[in-house]
Amino acid sequence: QKEVEQNSGPLSVPEGAIASLNCTYSDRGSQSFFWYRQYSGKSPELIMFIYSNGDKEDGRFTAQLNKASQYVSLLIRDSQPSDSATYLCAVNVAYSGGGADGLTFGKGTHLIIQP
Amino acid sequence: ETGVTQTPRHLVMGMTNKKSLKCEQHLGHNAMYWYKQSAKKPLELMFVYNFKEQTENNSVPSRFSPECPNSSHLFLHLHTLQPEDSALYLCASSQDFTPATNEKLFFGSGTQLSVL
Repeated sequence: QKEVEQNSGPLSVPEGAIASLNCTYSDRGSQSFFWYRQYSGKSPELIMFIYSNGDKEDGRFTAQLNKASQYVSLLIRDSQPSDSATYLCAVNVAYSGGGADGLTFGKGTHLIIQP
Repeated sequence: ETGVTQTPRHLVMGMTNKKSLKCEQHLGHNAMYWYKQSAKKPLELMFVYNFKEQTENNSVPSRFSPECPNSSHLFLHLHTLQPEDSALYLCASSQDFTPATNEKLFFGSGTQLSVL
């Protein structure tokens, strides 16, 4: 049973600070890791993906992956009120046959950026 | 606008009704998905179609019946649903269903379903 765990929050961060969102996963065979952002009443949208250990930066967003600890995180620098949303962590396992059974999502962390 | 259009946006139905959800993607993708999102629960994958062929059915009850007539259109036919089926139903697409690309999902706006 593949599991992806996130703290549901809400996580409250002052505007301009760094927001840190965390995610752990149970399947050591997991190969790819994703962060989706979902505004209230809207559908999820992909904001970051990471495949290798270490950091990956894209603008104000940094994804961090540690496969040994089965841990992936998302940092948002200079947080803005518009970053207030639910952030979904998703994980996939690539099987040797080349197929895949889709993403496993966490429940999401509700982030609130306080002006 | 993600290029994935779902209709209707909202649906209220009784337990004896039959209704259908529609999804259309304009991205030239080959894989399409149905997900269910319930309050306080993770997104649940229901069905996957790759090149019009169903590749995944995650033990979904038979009262949910998918249909994929071509790579651009996906339907979810609903029949004799239960109140616990009330949820947001999201359609998504990706380039295809391989490990390298299937994770980059583009979601539609969803259908908020209420079963009375």
